[in-house]
Amino acid sequence: DVKVTQSSRYLVKRTGEKVFLECVQDMDHENMFWYRQDPGLGLRLIYFSYDVKMKEKGDIPEGYSVSREKKERFSLILESASTNQTSMYLCASSLNFPGTEAFFGQGTRLTVV
Amino acid sequence: AQSVAQPEDQVNVAEGNPLTVKCTYSVSGNPYLFWYVQYPNRGLQFLLKYITGDNLVKGSYGFEAEFNKSQTSFHLKKPSALVSDSALYFCAVRETGSARQLTFGSGTQLTVLP
Repeated sequence: DVKVTQSSRYLVKRTGEKVFLECVQDMDHENMFWYRQDPGLGLRLIYFSYDVKMKEKGDIPEGYSVSREKKERFSLILESASTNQTSMYLCASSLNFPGTEAFFGQGTRLTVV
Repeated sequence: AQSVAQPEDQVNVAEGNPLTVKCTYSVSGNPYLFWYVQYPNRGLQFLLKYITGDNLVKGSYGFEAEFNKSQTSFHLKKPSALVSDSALYFCAVRETGSARQLTFGSGTQLTVLP
């Protein structure tokens, strides 16, 4: 089975801190994604990466950056956390084929205080 | 730009009754369509997808979905609901030719009443 693992289930950070969310997949997938999930808004794409060191902005990239130095690992970085970034963050990966499904990690619930 | 609409925030159904969770989409080309389920404090689990071919797609846990191109819909169905089906359901779309942007709907909370 495909496994996508996010480093933390729950995080509490202070306003202004730099926050790293880590994601690792074990299926050699080309594509990796970071989504943010908020009630009533569904999942919104923050960034995705289609290859090592390659990235594209999603729908809501402001306040975030990403890093993909190795194929299996995709990191989301909050440069200076703010309370409006309190949310559930979901990482996903997929093959680089449009008809393939994405596989999701268990999510990281981040609270910024 | 592609988009997905799930018109119902909440669907309630009695156990044993059929259930339908609605989804409509908008893409400029042909769509690939997906349904996912999310249980509390968990990630999303893949249920089924439509790529091409038969308009009725069967997936995990007895779920199926019907692709209707003229109505741009991809409704999720199950003939007999279980209490354990209670969860948050998401529809998603991706345009053919692009493996990148997967766009999700806002989600529908399904509650199956015993």
